[in-house]
Amino acid sequence: DVKVTQSSRYLVKRTGEKVFLECVQDMDHENMFWYRQDPGLGLRLIYFSYDVKMKEKGDIPEGYSVSREKKERFSLILESASTNQTSMYLCASSLSRGLPSEQYFGPGTRLTVT
Amino acid sequence: KQEVTQIPAALSVPEGENLVLNCSFTDSAIYNLQWFRQDPGKGLTSLLLIQSSQREQTSGRLNASLDKSSGRSTLYIAASQPGDSATYLCAVPTDSWGKFQFGAGTQVVVTP
Repeated sequence: DVKVTQSSRYLVKRTGEKVFLECVQDMDHENMFWYRQDPGLGLRLIYFSYDVKMKEKGDIPEGYSVSREKKERFSLILESASTNQTSMYLCASSLSRGLPSEQYFGPGTRLTVT
Repeated sequence: KQEVTQIPAALSVPEGENLVLNCSFTDSAIYNLQWFRQDPGKGLTSLLLIQSSQREQTSGRLNASLDKSSGRSTLYIAASQPGDSATYLCAVPTDSWGKFQFGAGTQVVVTP
């Protein structure tokens, strides 16, 4: 079974802090994604990566950056956390580029910025 | 731009009834369609992936149908149980690289 893990289930940070959210997948997937999910707004794509060191902006990249130094790990960085970044963050992975394949999600990180 | 709609937003049924969940998409040129389940405060669990060449895909009590020409997919859950209570989301790819557009989901409550 594909397993996607996220470093924290719950996180509380202060405004202005730098925040790192980590995601690891164990199935050698090429694609990895970061979404945020908010009531009434659904799932929105922040960033995605098709390969190591490769990243593309999604629909709402402002205030975020990402890092993918190894194939299995995709990190989301909030450079200076703000209260409007309080949300549920979901990481996902899928098998290969050039072919839309099944997405597998991690358990999510509930981030609260105070 | 691909738009994905799920109606109704919420649904309540008594235990034992069959569930019918709808998903509509505007661009019929899709590669596949995926159905997910989400429990409160949790991540998404993949239920079924149905390829564009398929009309149906089955897994246990779940059956998903796909009609590309009309831009619709339906998820059927037979003999519902209280444990089926969750939000169900559908998603379709928006490009060949694997980005997906998600529907807002249908929240299902199965009452004992």
